[in-house]
Amino acid sequence: DTGVSQDPRHKITKRGQNVTFRCDPISEHNRLYWYRQTLGQGPEFLTYFQNEAQLEKSRLLSDRFSAERPKGSFSTLEIQRTEQGDSAMYLCASSLESTGGLRNEQFFGPGTRLTVL
Amino acid sequence: GQQLNQSPQSMFIQEGEDVSMNCTSSSIFNTWLWYKQDPGEGPVLLIALYKAGELTSNGRLTAQFGITRKDSFLNISASIPSDVGIYFCAGQTIQGAQKLVFGQGTRLTINP
Repeated sequence: DTGVSQDPRHKITKRGQNVTFRCDPISEHNRLYWYRQTLGQGPEFLTYFQNEAQLEKSRLLSDRFSAERPKGSFSTLEIQRTEQGDSAMYLCASSLESTGGLRNEQFFGPGTRLTVL
Repeated sequence: GQQLNQSPQSMFIQEGEDVSMNCTSSSIFNTWLWYKQDPGEGPVLLIALYKAGELTSNGRLTAQFGITRKDSFLNISASIPSDVGIYFCAGQTIQGAQKLVFGQGTRLTINP
C-alpha cells in the first residue's frame, strides 16, 4: 500500500500526559499537512510542511503542540500536557506540488483517534 | 475557524435514488474538492475541480464548480449501499499553504 499511513490508529491517554503521532506521506510528496477533526465537524487545518520546513501554523495549534518533519519525509505531531479538549481525530495529508502550484490534491491517511481521559 | 456551509446535513434515501448536495462559501476558492469519509477512517478524495463552471464526472458521481467560485455541488446517481458515509466539500486557494477549508459534511444513509 503506497498511501499515507499514520501510527498509532488509536491512543487513549490520561490528562497531563504527552503523546506523539507519526505520519508517513506518499513517497515523493513534498507537502505534508496536519488537520484535526472533532465529532460531527469537518477537518480543520493545523500546520503545513514543504519538505522539512514548517511554513504555516494555525491559531488552533497552541504552545503545547509541536510538529516536525526532520528529513522531509515522515512527520511527527506531539501534544504535551494533554487536555480533554484535545480529544479528536488527527489527520495527516500529503500532496505533490505541481508546476505553477495550481493543483494540490491532498490525500489523507486513516487518522489517529486520540481520547484524553 | 472558517468553514463552508454544506447542505443538507443528512439524507435518508432509498437504494437507487439520486442524491444531490451542495456547498457555499462567502469566499472565493480556486479549487473545490469533494471527499467521502467512512467511520473511523480518513477522507478519500472523490473529485477535484479547478475552473469556474467546470463539470466533472467520476463514475456515478458528478460535481460542478460554481460560476461565482463560491459554491459547488455533488450529485450521485443510482445510489448503492456502499455510497453510505459522510461527504465533505473542501475549498482551496492557490496562495500560501493551500490548506483545505471543509464543510460540516453531509451524512448519507441508504435504505435497501
